[in-house]
Amino acid sequence: AQSVTQLDSHVSVSEGTPVLLRCNYSSSYSPSLFWYVQHPNKGLQLLLKYTSAATLVKGINGFEAEFKKSETSFHLTKPSAHMSDAAEYFCARMDTGRRALTFGSGTRLQVQP
Amino acid sequence: GAVVSQHPSRVICKSGTSVKIECRSLDFQATTMFWYRQFPKQSLMLMATSNEGSKATYEQGVEKDKFLINHASLTLSTLTVTSAHPEDSSFYICSALSDYSYGYTFGSGTRLTVV
Repeated sequence: AQSVTQLDSHVSVSEGTPVLLRCNYSSSYSPSLFWYVQHPNKGLQLLLKYTSAATLVKGINGFEAEFKKSETSFHLTKPSAHMSDAAEYFCARMDTGRRALTFGSGTRLQVQP
Repeated sequence: GAVVSQHPSRVICKSGTSVKIECRSLDFQATTMFWYRQFPKQSLMLMATSNEGSKATYEQGVEKDKFLINHASLTLSTLTVTSAHPEDSSFYICSALSDYSYGYTFGSGTRLTVV
């Protein structure tokens, strides 16, 4: 089954320090991968997506992710965390058959002042 | 950009009643609508996929007679939770897919509480 695994359920960083949220995918080919952010009781906002173009994908709010086929990873990074980055982050992949997104279990990012 | 309006944002209903959730694409045509359910502190789980004018395809374990999905037009899809029970309390989110370049657009979600 096509899946994504988010390796950390909770990440805590200090404001101004780098953020790393990890995501691995299972597949025998290059999937379409996404990162979304969700604030409490809100819908999902797309941060960035990979669709087999450049392996380093730049998104909104200073986030970027690198697709590494050899490691089947698509980790999300940001050089300097801001308090407003505190939220739940979801890695997702597109199911090419159904075209639906399959989500990882989510990573809660906490940003300490 | 593409916007999906989802209503209501929050609803409380009595056990045994039905609740309808609407998702409307405001400035594009949604050929496919996905409905997800999210329990507290959990991920989004796909419930069903609907294409305009066709019957919805439900994921395994999702009762199609309980969760009625209608996608009668390219701009409106509805999810009706029939005979709701407390275990149906959850956060429901729709996601619209256009055949063009808009990608996936999510509604803002509906918090359903069944008492």
